[in-house]
Amino acid sequence: GENVEQHPSTLSVQEGDSAVIKCTYSDSASNYFPWYKQELGKGPQLIIDIRSNVGEKKDQRIAVTLNKTAKHFSLHITETQPEDSAVYFCAASSPAGTALIFGKGTTLSVSS
Amino acid sequence: NAGVTQTPKFRVLKTGQSMTLLCAQDMNHEYMYWYRQDPGMGLRLIHYSVGEGTTAKGEVPDGYNVSRLKKQNFLLGLESAAPSQTSVYFCASSLTGLNEKLFFGSGTQLSVL
Repeated sequence: GENVEQHPSTLSVQEGDSAVIKCTYSDSASNYFPWYKQELGKGPQLIIDIRSNVGEKKDQRIAVTLNKTAKHFSLHITETQPEDSAVYFCAASSPAGTALIFGKGTTLSVSS
Repeated sequence: NAGVTQTPKFRVLKTGQSMTLLCAQDMNHEYMYWYRQDPGMGLRLIHYSVGEGTTAKGEVPDGYNVSRLKKQNFLLGLESAAPSQTSVYFCASSLTGLNEKLFFGSGTQLSVL
């Protein structure tokens, strides 16, 4: 079955710096890769997603890149702000849409 | 628009007790899911439903049962709680499957002593 590895587990940056979180997946048939943000005491919320027919997607300060050959995808946050502090999860979904496997999460801390 | 609502928010059980977690969504979504979240483990799928009257096993289904008698509700039951079931439980829903945005509830913190 699918396995998703996420690195780093914790990341501390200064406000205004960029943050990058990387994930690798094992099933070459996976075709949907979302990123979720979880704030303390809340449920995860989708912040951006990418499908296997696209190499990069941007939404304001957030971007995701996908390398299908290497089976890895990354989340890039530019001009970080204190409100970006949260736990971020990557995930990968099978083509059948019956399994969405999450990474173990990255705790991002942005200090002002 | 409430989205996905979970009750209760907190619960403490003794080993062997039973309980039911309730999830309700008002978005007319077909798919509903129960996940558990443990420190350093991410989110793991317990059971899911692709429509009213259907249920299916996820990654970690043992010790849990579910029911989807109404489209808007998805119940998660623990028949005989064990300390290993201490976790934060999240319900989620989506319109047509896992290859799209999931809407999560705010979670239930369950402790089994």
